[in-house]
Amino acid sequence: GAGVSQTPSNKVTEKGKYVELRCDPISGHTALYWYRQSLGQGPEFLIYFQGTGAADDSGLPNDRFFAVRPEGSVSTLKIQRTERGDSAVYLCASSHGDRADTQYFGPGTRLTVL
Amino acid sequence: KNQVEQSPQSLIILEGKNCTLQCNYTVSPFSNLRWYKQDTGRGPVSLTIMTFSENTKSNGRYTATLDADTKQSSLHITASQLSDSASYICVVSARRGNYQLIWGAGTKLIIKP
Repeated sequence: GAGVSQTPSNKVTEKGKYVELRCDPISGHTALYWYRQSLGQGPEFLIYFQGTGAADDSGLPNDRFFAVRPEGSVSTLKIQRTERGDSAVYLCASSHGDRADTQYFGPGTRLTVL
Repeated sequence: KNQVEQSPQSLIILEGKNCTLQCNYTVSPFSNLRWYKQDTGRGPVSLTIMTFSENTKSNGRYTATLDADTKQSSLHITASQLSDSASYICVVSARRGNYQLIWGAGTKLIIKP
């Protein structure tokens, strides 16, 4: 595709609910990244996929967060039992090779947990 | 501890003026340094990337410098335009087995007409 796309652009949910955030990377990019960004802060790394596998999930804050990329393209970030502190913009990025390459970011999904 | 610190936190300048944003880092072993521009409500967009051996790189009106000895970088914006209003984020990468990116908090730049 022309760029990284993310859906939905906005998601409002209630505390305790389950949410899924989707990322469509640039076609052909093998690496995919999820970040979380709070207001006034830089992106916080969550997880990095190389192909279908999670090469580094050290940024996931706890076991309520999980991400998959079953076919090495589209990825879904899943958050269980959402908490108000999960409210943030969730950014997805992709790159051609690995982390050494320039990452191209999507517009983000703004998650609000009430 | 690997850290990236940016200053100022925010900056307001008049259209047409120049400005310089600063980035100090304590990241080891250093691999490269990137500057990103992030418009409000959008994802970051890469402006420049510099390795250890490069000390300056330009992208249009943006010029980044790197001093690997003092571990400092700057982003200079020339003849600012209203569209330059954004957050500018410095990102330093460390190659320690599992390649890591350390993100700064960004400088929020506002250009006033």
